[in-house]
Amino acid sequence: NAGVTQTPKFQVLKTGQSMTLQCAQDMNHEYMSWYRQDPGMGLRLIHYSVGAGITDQGEVPNGYNVSRSTTEDFPLRLLSAAPSQTSVYFCASSYSSSGGQETQYFGPGTRLLVL
Amino acid sequence: DQQVKQNSPSLSVQEGRISILNCDYTNSMFDYFLWYKKYPAEGPTFLISISSIKDKNEDGRFTVFLNKSAKHLSLHIVPSQPGDSAVYFCAASLGTGKLIFGQGTTLQVKP
Repeated sequence: NAGVTQTPKFQVLKTGQSMTLQCAQDMNHEYMSWYRQDPGMGLRLIHYSVGAGITDQGEVPNGYNVSRSTTEDFPLRLLSAAPSQTSVYFCASSYSSSGGQETQYFGPGTRLLVL
Repeated sequence: DQQVKQNSPSLSVQEGRISILNCDYTNSMFDYFLWYKKYPAEGPTFLISISSIKDKNEDGRFTVFLNKSAKHLSLHIVPSQPGDSAVYFCAASLGTGKLIFGQGTTLQVKP
């Protein structure tokens, strides 16, 4: 079990460029989410998905797109990168247990620098 | 509007003593609260959680307390060990893939 994997580990972009951050999980989890971590801000939810074909916005969705065509993959697209999107991005997956608790498992993160 | 707040950016304790990390929240709709631990250059890892219908949950050296009337929770680590040095995030669940995180508290445990 690889758990949650993210690629690339590190990326430098120029303002205006687009790119896709990849996320995959092999735990057959229903739910997947994307967060960004900025100093002093904790982790903020960008987008999440409750299953293949279903996505919704989180706290900070602007400038990002997602899709979920399979259970395993949940890519995050930056349409036109801006310096404000310099951050560390974490993907997470989870399932809902019978007790209702949902523990999220995180990937190792992607560090993005936008110049 | 920050729904989950950790007001102490850092905490330093001596090895063997108790570490107490605090977290406040504003939304009474949260159904679960979780603590995550994060080392540099790694993703957060789940530590312990508590349902909104309970007031205490223990797992080894870690205990989480929930005070619903005060909308406050705390994580107690006893005894603290140098390997516990990390950033600790409090998170609250709205269900279905949505966690709201606090800003994090950096814990340093001195040998």
